[in-house]
Amino acid sequence: DTGVSQNPRHKITKRGQNVTFRCDPISEHNRLYWYRQTLGQGPEFLTYFQNEAQLEKSRLLSDRFSAERPKGSFSTLEIQRTEQGDSAMYLCASSLTTGGSPLHFGNGTRLTVT
Amino acid sequence: TQLLEQSPQFLSIQEGENLTVYCNSSSVFSSLQWYRQEPGEGPVLLVTVVTGGEVKKLKRLTFQFGDARKDSSLHITAAQPGDTGLYLCAGATFGSNYQLIWGAGTKLIIKP
Repeated sequence: DTGVSQNPRHKITKRGQNVTFRCDPISEHNRLYWYRQTLGQGPEFLTYFQNEAQLEKSRLLSDRFSAERPKGSFSTLEIQRTEQGDSAMYLCASSLTTGGSPLHFGNGTRLTVT
Repeated sequence: TQLLEQSPQFLSIQEGENLTVYCNSSSVFSSLQWYRQEPGEGPVLLVTVVTGGEVKKLKRLTFQFGDARKDSSLHITAAQPGDTGLYLCAGATFGSNYQLIWGAGTKLIIKP
């Protein structure tokens, strides 16, 4: 069981720079999610893929954020022109298609914008 | 707006004590999941409850889903330092087959 893998684990960047994170889900999982989490809070939904199709994107997500899952396997999350408020843990999770299926999370990418 | 309120937000107790964490909502859920998260790691699923009134046990942890499927509780008996972590509940709604509604979490510290 390889689990969900996220890279990098940590990213420090200067305000205004672009960053890209990668997520490799569990291979048989069709669904892939991106969440953002700040210290002591629950995960905040960002976006969701069913195979390669991005089916939902949070209204809280600005146009600076974009995610792709080109072949229905790994996914990338890009943040353009980073701001200090983007500093958070970015979590990726995958699951089976069945509604309410439990999520399998990666260990996240911690972003610090200076 | 659907909300899932967890209480308490923070709990620090001595090893050996019992505790209960609550997860409440005005919404009805098709199922509810409990996760535990340790610092620097992603949440890990503990249990899923599906049926109203359901009780599930995981060693010293007892999970209960309310009869009306709007609330849930997690009871830990004889807490140990290894139970320390952030406990999160997440509800699956009937209106969406993919999006979970998350609580803000309960940060639990068990002191030896």
